[in-house]
Amino acid sequence: EDQVTQSPEALRLQEGESSSLNCSYTVSGLRGLFWYRQDPGKGPEFLFTLYSAGEEKEKERLKATLTKKESFLHITAPKPEDSATYLCAVYRSSGNTPLVFGKGTRLSVIA
Amino acid sequence: EAGVTQFPSHSVIEKGQTVTLRCDPISGHDNLYWYRRVMGKEIKFLLHFVKESKQDESGMPNNRFLAERTGGTYSTLKVQPAELEDSGVYFCASSQGRGPYQETQYFGPGTRLLVL
Repeated sequence: EDQVTQSPEALRLQEGESSSLNCSYTVSGLRGLFWYRQDPGKGPEFLFTLYSAGEEKEKERLKATLTKKESFLHITAPKPEDSATYLCAVYRSSGNTPLVFGKGTRLSVIA
Repeated sequence: EAGVTQFPSHSVIEKGQTVTLRCDPISGHDNLYWYRRVMGKEIKFLLHFVKESKQDESGMPNNRFLAERTGGTYSTLKVQPAELEDSGVYFCASSQGRGPYQETQYFGPGTRLLVL
C-alpha cells in the first residue's frame, strides 16, 4: 500500500532560521511527488512537482529535492509569511491517478 | 484564469439530512477529483472523473455518497443520509491531464461539513 510520512509534525522557527521538512514515501512506481502549501481555512496551493531522483526545484526561499525514498523541502531564511502547513503527496506511474498525501508539517515562523 | 471553486464554503446539517456539494473545475480540465480530510487525518481520495465518466471510485466510503459530473463540467457530491462520521473538509481538485507533466492537481478552497 502506498504510504507517505512527513516529519516533523510541527516545526517552530525564528525568522531567518533555516531548516528542512522531510517526506518519506513508499509507492510502487513513483510517477511524481508534489509539495503543496496550505493556509488555515484554504485549499492546498501547488508549489512543486518532482519527477526523478536528483531533481531539484526552487521558488523564493523554498527548495525541494527528491531521492529514491524521500523528499526534502528546504526553507532558507524563513519569514513569518512562510507559516503554513506543508503537504507532500505522491502519485503512481500511470499518471492522472489519485494523490496519496502525508499528514503535513505545520510550520510556524516567529518574528 | 479562475481557479477551482467550491460551494458552499461551510455546511452544518443534522444527522439524517442530505447535503450536496458543488465543484467547478478550472476551465478545460478533463480530470476532476474529490478528496476529504477528517479531523486529525491526512487528505484522502474519494473519486476521479475523466470528463463525465467515473474513472476511479475506490475511495468512496459507502453508497450514501453519490457523485456526478454533468457534461464533463461541474461536479456534485451528494451525501444522503448524512452521518456524524461524514464531518470533515471536502476538497475538489482538477488537472488538465492531456499529456506528460500536465498532471498537476489544483485544489479548491474546500467545503467544511459538520454533521450534528
